[in-house]
Amino acid sequence: KQEVTQIPAALSVPEGENLVLNCSFTDSAIYNLQWFRQDPGKGLTSLLLIQSSQREQTSGRLNASLDKSSGRSTLYIAASQPGDSATYLCAVRRSSNTGKLIFGQGTTLQVKP
Amino acid sequence: DTAVSQTPKYLVTQMGNDKSIKCEQNLGHDTMYWYKQDSKKFLKIMFSYNNKELIINETVPNRFSPKSPDKAHLNLHINSLELGDSAVYFCASSQGAMGTANEKLFFGSGTQLSVL
Repeated sequence: KQEVTQIPAALSVPEGENLVLNCSFTDSAIYNLQWFRQDPGKGLTSLLLIQSSQREQTSGRLNASLDKSSGRSTLYIAASQPGDSATYLCAVRRSSNTGKLIFGQGTTLQVKP
Repeated sequence: DTAVSQTPKYLVTQMGNDKSIKCEQNLGHDTMYWYKQDSKKFLKIMFSYNNKELIINETVPNRFSPKSPDKAHLNLHINSLELGDSAVYFCASSQGAMGTANEKLFFGSGTQLSVL
């Protein structure tokens, strides 16, 4: 059974810091992995999607890496800003074409001005 | 323009009632989903439709019935609401079906359902 864990559950950093959010999954047989952002009272926004054959994806100040063999992904946020404050969730797609998305519980990030 | 819109945003109702949540996407996507986020913030898929055809039906009580009149709409009807149904329900869409390169998800803003 695939389980997705995100540590830490909450993180508070001063503005301008570079930071790393961690995501681990128990079954390395995944199709892809996505990172989402959830703002309070709002839906999720897909940030980055990494296919199982890829090692990383970049979008602006965000960089997501994937290490299937160790069951880990990281989301690197450079030069954090208060506007980055949100909950960040990772989710893995199982390898079968009918596989569902398994979400982690999220890391709630607060970037202080 | 909102890409994935769902209504209502808040829904407060009594146990035993029947209610519906509507979802529409204007992205031209082929696949739509319903997710449930419980009090512990875990998101779990409930249903997935591709071109109006049901392709995922997770272990969801029969009281939950999705309806897709066309590929731009996926409504969720819930019969005989129970206290445990209280959660935030998210609609989502993607260009392709799950497991494809175009499965990037676009979410609605959620419907917070409170069953009293």
